Amino acid sequence: NAGVTQTPKFRVLKTGQSMTLLCAQDMNHEYMYWYRQDPGMGLRLIHYSVGEGTTAKGEVPDGYNVSRLKKQNFLLGLESAAPSQTSVYFCASSYSYRGGEQYFGPGTRLTVT
Amino acid sequence: QQQVKQSPQSLIVQKGGISIINCAYENTAFDYFPWYQQFPGKGPALLIAIRPDVSEKKEGRFTISFNKSAKQFSLHIMDSQPGDSATYFCAASNRGGGADGLTFGKGTHLIIQP
Repeated sequence: NAGVTQTPKFRVLKTGQSMTLLCAQDMNHEYMYWYRQDPGMGLRLIHYSVGEGTTAKGEVPDGYNVSRLKKQNFLLGLESAAPSQTSVYFCASSYSYRGGEQYFGPGTRLTVT
Repeated sequence: QQQVKQSPQSLIVQKGGISIINCAYENTAFDYFPWYQQFPGKGPALLIAIRPDVSEKKEGRFTISFNKSAKQFSLHIMDSQPGDSATYFCAASNRGGGADGLTFGKGTHLIIQP
């Protein structure tokens, strides 16, 4: 039982490049989330999904797109990376968004130059 | 608009002492208040959580105190140990609707000195 895994662990992009971050969970959770963590800012919700085939915007969605084609996977895409997207990205999943524990992955450290 | 305010930003406590971290929230619809612990290079992990129908919850050395009228909640770490050195985040969520996911405070970097 690996829990929540994220790939890649580290990535450096040039401004304007695109990339996709992959999150996978093996706990059969319905709900999945993408957060970004910046120094002194805590974690902020980018997008979330309440089930396969569904996605919704969080607090800071601009510049990101997501897809949930399979229940166990949640992809975060950056179509044209900007230096402001330099951050650590965390994926999380939960059995229920209604006050249930969220399980976090180990994070992806992204630098955009 | 920051809906969960956390203080202090950093905290140094001697081994064996009590660590106290405070949070205040604005949204009265919040009804689930977890604390997450994060070690360097790792993702956050749930430490303890409380719902507003109780004023205190204790798990081992960790206690949440909750004051619904003041819209405040705090984490107390008793007999603090060097292994407790980490970043702590309070959070809140609303079961009744609206945006899903957790709203986090900005975090407290806790150092326990041996």
